[in-house]
Amino acid sequence: DIQLTQSPSSLSASVGDRVTITCRTSQSIGTYLNWYQQKPGKAPKLLICGTSILQSGVPSRFSGSGSGTDFTLIISSLQPEDFATYYCQQSYNSLPLTFGGGTKVEI
Amino acid sequence: QVELQESGPGLVKPSETLSLICSVSGYSISSGYYWGWIRQPPGKGLEWIGDIYQSGNTNYNPSLGSRVTMSVDTSKNQFSLKLTSMTAADTAVYFCARRVRGQRGEYKFSANDYWGQGTPVTVAS
Repeated sequence: DIQLTQSPSSLSASVGDRVTITCRTSQSIGTYLNWYQQKPGKAPKLLICGTSILQSGVPSRFSGSGSGTDFTLIISSLQPEDFATYYCQQSYNSLPLTFGGGTKVEI
Repeated sequence: QVELQESGPGLVKPSETLSLICSVSGYSISSGYYWGWIRQPPGKGLEWIGDIYQSGNTNYNPSLGSRVTMSVDTSKNQFSLKLTSMTAADTAVYFCARRVRGQRGEYKFSANDYWGQGTPVTVAS
């Protein structure tokens, strides 16, 4: 299985801060890296797929980059509604699909 | 608008089989894409269980071995999950989700774009 290591596992930030979350994979996955946002008691929401493709309706303050084994999610200016847990997911041809351990963004 | 809704028992006894159904509206399963299940134990991260194509072709997480069976009923626009030999370790919220594949420019992707709200399943006697 392809392992995903997210860092940090949690962070404290303020409204307006720039937040960076990283995801490292145990082998190269090309651009098959997705980012999800999950709020308590809710299903995950797809933010970015294919490393950097922003989903419709997702604010432009979210961006993704990377390739191969190192990927990054950036929130350029944190808003109150962004406090949540973020997961990366690899969907390369090698199954199973796997998720990172999550990054909890707290106030 | 694509919507998914899980249904099934909230409580399962140890060693029994879990059966869940995901009902899809706003999109015909027979039109394509993968339809699958993901679970989340209390306070923990996400685990991909597997998915099924509209043709019936399946992909399962090897960690669950032969315990998993998925099927699709295009006439009802539903797909289902069966997980046998349930133990306390299977206690989780179970989500159904659609997985889409594609490419935009040089970026290839495969991602779960629509999710059900999740259904909690507890394994206890």
